[in-house]
Amino acid sequence: KNQVEQSPQSLIILEGKNCTLQCNYTVSPFSNLRWYKQDTGRGPVSLTIMTFSENTKSNGRYTATLDADTKQSSLHITASQLSDSASYICVVSDRGSTLGRLYFGRGTQLTVWP
Amino acid sequence: EADIYQTPRYLVIGTGKKITLECSQTMGHDKMYWYQQDPGMELHLIHYSYGVNSTEKGDLSSESTVSRIRTEHFPLTLESARPSHTSQYLCASSESKGAGFYSNQPQHFGDGTRLSIL
Repeated sequence: KNQVEQSPQSLIILEGKNCTLQCNYTVSPFSNLRWYKQDTGRGPVSLTIMTFSENTKSNGRYTATLDADTKQSSLHITASQLSDSASYICVVSDRGSTLGRLYFGRGTQLTVWP
Repeated sequence: EADIYQTPRYLVIGTGKKITLECSQTMGHDKMYWYQQDPGMELHLIHYSYGVNSTEKGDLSSESTVSRIRTEHFPLTLESARPSHTSQYLCASSESKGAGFYSNQPQHFGDGTRLSIL
């Protein structure tokens, strides 16, 4: 069964600290992996998209890594800010058909305290 | 910032009413989607469209219907609302570049409609 599991479910860190969020998936065949940030009451916003051949991609203070062999990805946030408080969602796309399909994780709820 | 808009942002309405949730995008994207999201849960695809006059049901069974008469507009309708329809509804769009329906293009989401049926 194709699944996307994220950990931890929630995380609290102090402003200025770094953190790493994890995503494990069983989706096959794999097409790409996306990280989204969803602020409370808003729609998700794309942070990164990585294909099979990419093992790291950065977007400002956000760095995503991908290990397609172990089917794991991480999102590293450097020097956290209060505005980083949000849910971070991992999404994996398969290429099993012309349509393909997106598999969504339940997200990690990050809270940054001053 | 993506140009995709949803209205209303919040709607509280009684059982049995007909509801239309509006979604418009100004990016000229061919592909559009509707998702349902409950608190702490993953997004579920309920409808999608390849372009004008194309609509398909998604992975999650839904009693709602959609239409795509214009590229920029993808409204969702519930003919008779029930308490089980209470949820957040998110609309998204993406470009058509690349192979496959989703390809490697990001989806741009609206801010959603939070629907409560009493």
